[in-house]
Amino acid sequence: SAVISQKPSRDICQRGTSLTIQCQVDSQVTMMFWYRQQPGQSLTLIATANQGSEATYESGFVIDKFPISRPNLTFSTLTVSNMSPEDSSIYLCSVVSLSFLNEQFFGPGTRLTVL
Amino acid sequence: GENVEQHPSTLSVQEGDSAVIKCTYSDSASNYFPWYKQELGKRPQLIIDIRSNVGEKKDQRIAVTLNKTAKHFSLHITETQPEDSAVYFCAASLPRSGGTSYGKLTFGQGTILTVHP
Repeated sequence: SAVISQKPSRDICQRGTSLTIQCQVDSQVTMMFWYRQQPGQSLTLIATANQGSEATYESGFVIDKFPISRPNLTFSTLTVSNMSPEDSSIYLCSVVSLSFLNEQFFGPGTRLTVL
Repeated sequence: GENVEQHPSTLSVQEGDSAVIKCTYSDSASNYFPWYKQELGKRPQLIIDIRSNVGEKKDQRIAVTLNKTAKHFSLHITETQPEDSAVYFCAASLPRSGGTSYGKLTFGQGTILTVHP
């Protein structure tokens, strides 16, 4: 499977600030996604990161709050803007590999705590 | 959109017993059903998956069955071991549509499996 890294692995932030999370893959992938996992909960898709164009957001998530970039096939960023304590979650990127059709692999996640 | 229901939310078994987790999905067009295992503090790991053209798939102690008519699929773990203790998530994916839904997963709520030695 693809090797996926995320930075930072965790952070503690003050409300009202923004944090940008990076996701790097070691090989070219077809699709990249961003998920949120709130404490003790399941995974919820935030958006699909599209290479060179605007991300596709799921219901309940908007670009102003979660701007996403994907400048190339192996890198994406998610920004959590104007944070509040309700944004405290684990944020995970995932990829669908060119080599593994449909199979989706997750990055290690970024644990965000907003005070 | 797709909706996935997962049961039970918690499951406790003795080592060596079998464990079964069940999921139902709402959209009959879904064609890919992966299962993930998530240990505490770690990322979800793909453990097995099944596509809609297959009714059953097995990998050592783990098997998945799919009933397309009833729109449900199940994870079976035999001869459970303490290291199987984790949260298990089922998911469903719709087929590609205009290039935007390919690989997009809808997850169930998760099952906390505890295997007692």
